[in-house]
Amino acid sequence: DGGITQSPKYLFRKEGQNVTLSCEQNLNHDAMYWYRQDPGQGLRLIYYSQIVNDFQKGDIAEGYSVSREKKESFPLTVTSAQKNPTAFYLCASSIAATGGYGYTFGSGTRLTVV
Amino acid sequence: QQQVKQSPQSLIVQKGGISIINCAYENTAFDYFPWYQQFPGKGPALLIAIRPDVSEKKEGRFTISFNKSAKQFSLHIMDSQPGDSATYFCAASSSARQLTFGSGTQLTVLP
Repeated sequence: DGGITQSPKYLFRKEGQNVTLSCEQNLNHDAMYWYRQDPGQGLRLIYYSQIVNDFQKGDIAEGYSVSREKKESFPLTVTSAQKNPTAFYLCASSIAATGGYGYTFGSGTRLTVV
Repeated sequence: QQQVKQSPQSLIVQKGGISIINCAYENTAFDYFPWYQQFPGKGPALLIAIRPDVSEKKEGRFTISFNKSAKQFSLHIMDSQPGDSATYFCAASSSARQLTFGSGTQLTVLP
């Protein structure tokens, strides 16, 4: 079955640590996205990538980094510079980066700072 | 101008009632308006979508109403069921941009 796999489902981070969230898709989609979800604030775009080896900042990129070395994979690193990282992180993919069509979401990773 | 404003933030409806969620936008370049449904601990899934060339689209118990002049669109859930209890997001995009999401509405349907 085609889809998006995010791992881990739950992640705990200590103060000052970097952590990496995994996102893999087998839909052959060109575009991939990372969103952060906080209660009452909807889905805010962190980074997106339209093609391999290229990515653009979204609305809240500070304290995050990404890479896109393979079409199927778009990992997100939450760095120690992100002061309030506790949130639900969603990865998505689509055939194209613009137009808004055919977004498929993963099941998310809940990150908690301890 | 890229914002999509969604209301209400939360909604409680009795089983069998009508649930109505509203969204408003400013960017007249937006030409695609989807609604997503999200259950706890899951990612959002596309529920229904509309383009501005029609004023209404219906799929089963779910209907989108679109008012281009007012730059507003709404989701109506007829005969609401407890299984419809979820968070609903409206969104909008244009051919040149990614989706912009509303802030979400947490719907609770009481049995």
